[in-house]
Amino acid sequence: KQEVTQIPAALSVPEGENLVLNCSFTDSAIYNLQWFRQDPGKGLTSLLLIQSSQREQTSGRLNASLDKSSGRSTLYIAASQPGDSATYLCAVEGSARQLTFGSGTQLTVLP
Amino acid sequence: EPEVTQTPSHQVTQMGQEVILRCVPISNHLYFYWYRQILGQKVEFLVSFYNNEISEKSEIFDDQFSVERPDGSNFTLKIRSTKLEDSAMYFCASYVWTGELFFGEGSRLTVL
Repeated sequence: KQEVTQIPAALSVPEGENLVLNCSFTDSAIYNLQWFRQDPGKGLTSLLLIQSSQREQTSGRLNASLDKSSGRSTLYIAASQPGDSATYLCAVEGSARQLTFGSGTQLTVLP
Repeated sequence: EPEVTQTPSHQVTQMGQEVILRCVPISNHLYFYWYRQILGQKVEFLVSFYNNEISEKSEIFDDQFSVERPDGSNFTLKIRSTKLEDSAMYFCASYVWTGELFFGEGSRLTVL
């Protein structure tokens, strides 16, 4: 059974810092990995999708990498802003075409 | 930008009552999902739906749950007789084929 772990569980940084969020998964047989953002009491906003054949994806200040063989992904956020404060969720899609989510990293960017 | 819409945003119900949560997926999407998130816990897969039938379902999705696509646009989740432990945020999601899943804002269900 696929297990997804995210480290750290919470992170607080001053505005302007670059930061890295980590995600690991136990079963490397995945179709893709997706990073989401969740604001309190809200839905999930897709940030980046990395197909299993890809190594990384970039969108603006966000860069996600995928190392399928080692079961790891990182989300890099450059020049963090207070508006980036949210919970970031990593999810992998396996053979059953369903997402398995991690518990998330709660990010606070201090002005 | 197209989006997945869900209603109601919040529903409070008594234990044992039936609840229907509604979703309008993005119009050209073919795969539909329900996920749930109990407060403070991980988002969990419930069921996937394709070509007017269930593709996959989790062990959570027991006989109390059902899904339906009654017309060309709506996708519903019915809980037949709610239990306290059904209290959660329920998310509808859809995608075409690229694998990128688009989620709605969620329906918060509170069972008293």
